[in-house]
Amino acid sequence: EVQLVESGGGLVQPGRSLKLSCLASGFTFSNYGMNWIRQAPGKGLEWVASISSSSSYIYYADTVKGRFTISRDNAKNTLYLQMTSLRSEDTALYYCARREMDAWGQGASVTVSS
Amino acid sequence: DIVLTQAPLSVSVTPGESASISCRSSKSLLSSKGITSLYWYLQRPGKSPQLLIYQMSNLASGVPDRFSSSGSETDFTLKISKVETEDVGVYYCGHRLEYPLTFGSGTKLEIK
Repeated sequence: EVQLVESGGGLVQPGRSLKLSCLASGFTFSNYGMNWIRQAPGKGLEWVASISSSSSYIYYADTVKGRFTISRDNAKNTLYLQMTSLRSEDTALYYCARREMDAWGQGASVTVSS
Repeated sequence: DIVLTQAPLSVSVTPGESASISCRSSKSLLSSKGITSLYWYLQRPGKSPQLLIYQMSNLASGVPDRFSSSGSETDFTLKISKVETEDVGVYYCGHRLEYPLTFGSGTKLEIK
């Protein structure tokens, strides 16, 4: 069974940093590109970043470019999202999803507030 | 950026009846490989989104054939036949033609 489990969310002050992780199982992680997608409270889906299977290709939404970094460790079957200079508008549930978005995690909650 | 416009904002359906949701793209979603890069997702209350339809008209694994999708290069329709209570949630269209990836704003399906 394909599983994606996010962790690392929490409450953080504006301007601080946080790193999310997504542990994959049930499929060959190194064969798949991955995405981070977020959902602000009561709002719709917003794509955040994508990374190819070998990390050769990386893309970011303009809203996070220069502040967030997507990365992966294929040996650990883990996807990461390093978030810096956090703002209140980054408050959201952050999902990791496989490239084809045919598998999603349960989400990690990030709240940016003083 | 590609803008996806969904309609209606919400739809209320009697169980057993059909429902249709529209998604209009600001740009053709037909790729150079001949694939129409339009996807449909369902987010049930309190749950993560799940893929329903990929490449405009292909049913994702495990999705009942009450769901179907069709369209052109810019206009798409998700049809749900014989709506069941488990179909309640928010439906999103999305594309993967180019970056940035974008989603429609969602259509909420409720049961009468």
